[in-house]
Amino acid sequence: QKEVEQNSGPLSVPEGAIASLNCTYSDRVSQSFFWYRQYSGKSPELIMSIYSNGDKEDGRFTAQLNKASQYVSLLIRDSQPSDSATYLCAVGKDFGNEKLTFGTGTRLTIIP
Amino acid sequence: DTAVSQTPKYLVTQMGNDKSIKCEQNLGHDTMYWYKQDSKKFLKIMFSYNNKELIINETVPNRFSPKSPDKAHLNLHINSLELGDSAVYFCASSGQGAYEQYFGPGTRLTVT
Repeated sequence: QKEVEQNSGPLSVPEGAIASLNCTYSDRVSQSFFWYRQYSGKSPELIMSIYSNGDKEDGRFTAQLNKASQYVSLLIRDSQPSDSATYLCAVGKDFGNEKLTFGTGTRLTIIP
Repeated sequence: DTAVSQTPKYLVTQMGNDKSIKCEQNLGHDTMYWYKQDSKKFLKIMFSYNNKELIINETVPNRFSPKSPDKAHLNLHINSLELGDSAVYFCASSGQGAYEQYFGPGTRLTVT
């Protein structure tokens, strides 16, 4: 079992709709969770971090964390063509250990 | 101003050569990282330094040697390059007590 799993996609979503990206992780002691966006040929860009169960909203982005289910998701509302990218889920095991384990990413395409 | 910078952006070299990649951050962060992203876009940590001290050393061939002359700089030297070393290498940094990591633009290494 991979430490961090994501559906590789591609995930196609119509412009203006909600894009939902999912990630599961295997290590129960994981404490920090991140979503990065990576455009083709570019570096990963941090878009959301979440540490506690529940939802965290930032503009059109909402991160959701459920530690009991070992599940973290990212919702993108009012999807725009500029949201087309690969989204990487990253998980940190514990505070004080900065090692992040990344999933293989989900490729999202927003269809105009 | 660029927060995390890397040089060179592209590096093409032959098998058996030795090469270095340099990274600098002007964010005042204490921790810096080297990641490798392979052709399948999987991002994996290699090394991490906190205030010039090595804190993460993943299972990486000892042909790879990181060096941190000060907390704003982290270099990666690779000896006896092999075809399998071809990848994009990303530098990242994070602040004291913070777990969000910010990535540099990457160095695309091609070994022929």
